[in-house]
Amino acid sequence: AQRVTQPEKLLSVFKGAPVELKCNYSYSGSPELFWYVQYSRQRLQLLLRHISRESIKGFTADLNKGETSFHLKKPFAQEEDSAMYYCALSAGGGNKLTFGTGTQLKVEL
Amino acid sequence: GAVVSQHPSRVICKSGTSVKIECRSLDFQATTMFWYRQFPKQSLMLMATSNEGSKATYEQGVEKDKFLINHASLTLSTLTVTSAHPEDSSFYICSASKGLAGGGEQFFGPGTRLTVL
Repeated sequence: AQRVTQPEKLLSVFKGAPVELKCNYSYSGSPELFWYVQYSRQRLQLLLRHISRESIKGFTADLNKGETSFHLKKPFAQEEDSAMYYCALSAGGGNKLTFGTGTQLKVEL
Repeated sequence: GAVVSQHPSRVICKSGTSVKIECRSLDFQATTMFWYRQFPKQSLMLMATSNEGSKATYEQGVEKDKFLINHASLTLSTLTVTSAHPEDSSFYICSASKGLAGGGEQFFGPGTRLTVL
């Protein structure tokens, strides 16, 4: 069975500081990894996925199969980045997602 | 595009009654819809996967007779919590996918807060 681990429940950084939200997974096959974000009082939305290899809102995430990690990074945090971030894994067909427990990012001025 | 709505946003019911929650894809056809449950300060737990015109696939530990899912069309799926009890109180979230054509991305509804008294 697949599993997604986000070790930090809360991450607090100052504006302009680098951000790294950690995500580790366990899955025997080739997974698809995603980061979803939930801003205050809004619904969950896709931030980025590993197969796209793109930067969204300054965020990037690289899939490291050796370390089974998919950490989310941003060089300079902005106040509007404050939100709940969920790492998710899709394994096999059907596009089912397994979510991590989420990390609350708080960017302080 | 790719908006998903849920109705109602909030419902309070008495123990023993049944509650129906609707999930609609407003501007696209959803080949697959998913139902999640989220407890306070916890992650989303997948309850079931629903494909239009076929029976839902339930995750282990989810009672299919308790949580009835109907996916009657490509834009509507319903979750009925039968004989609800206080322990069923939770935040229920649906999502919809365009399938492989849409890259498998799931679009989430705003959620429904169920409180069973």
